[in-house]
Amino acid sequence: SQQGEEDPQALSIQEGENATMNCSYKTSINNLQWYRQNSGRGLVHLILIRSNEREKHSGRLRVTLDTSKKSSSLLITASRAADTASYFCATDLIQGAQKLVFGQGTRLTINP
Amino acid sequence: DARVTQTPRHKVTEMGQEVTMRCQPILGHNTVFWYRQTMMQGLELLAYFRNRAPLDDSGMPKDRFSAEMPDATLATLKIQPSEPRDSAVYFCASGFEGANTGELFFGEGSRLTVL
Repeated sequence: SQQGEEDPQALSIQEGENATMNCSYKTSINNLQWYRQNSGRGLVHLILIRSNEREKHSGRLRVTLDTSKKSSSLLITASRAADTASYFCATDLIQGAQKLVFGQGTRLTINP
Repeated sequence: DARVTQTPRHKVTEMGQEVTMRCQPILGHNTVFWYRQTMMQGLELLAYFRNRAPLDDSGMPKDRFSAEMPDATLATLKIQPSEPRDSAVYFCASGFEGANTGELFFGEGSRLTVL
């Protein structure tokens, strides 16, 4: 069964708007990561947040982590057409190990 | 520019045939993963190697699937015999487990169609 579940499953917004995607997971984690997948391509790592961190920024990306609620959010500010992709959260269950379990993903469409 | 290389990118085969997918991980990485992606199941972990040793293949159908790392530059995933339900995109990923274990680097995938 999936460890992480993204919400919403699909999101369509206008270019320039902010996009927020959420991820919930079931068991305690060490790290949580977000990946992007363009159509027909492999996954690309975006950002990693450790269980003792609450917020992290990278360019136009902002990730939050609430371990008490077992949830994370990914915010993309000032969206661009090139941000159109599927976004996945992934959790590693074992400290120091890279065995990742992925959610089903959120399909983001940015309309010009 | 270091990247994970997968071959073939596309494969169409008939039911019952053997399929072998290959992966060249990034030099210096000590972990290799095989994932399968379908619309219905999403990304499923099939196999996990560290320092070429298989650590977890619990997600892999044992009767027809096998994964190996003959050397540090090659990982293989074999399906014999293949079935239509094996149609999916198979991804290889590599990474480094250590003091600052972090991200995985994915290949572009092998899209398999079994007729």
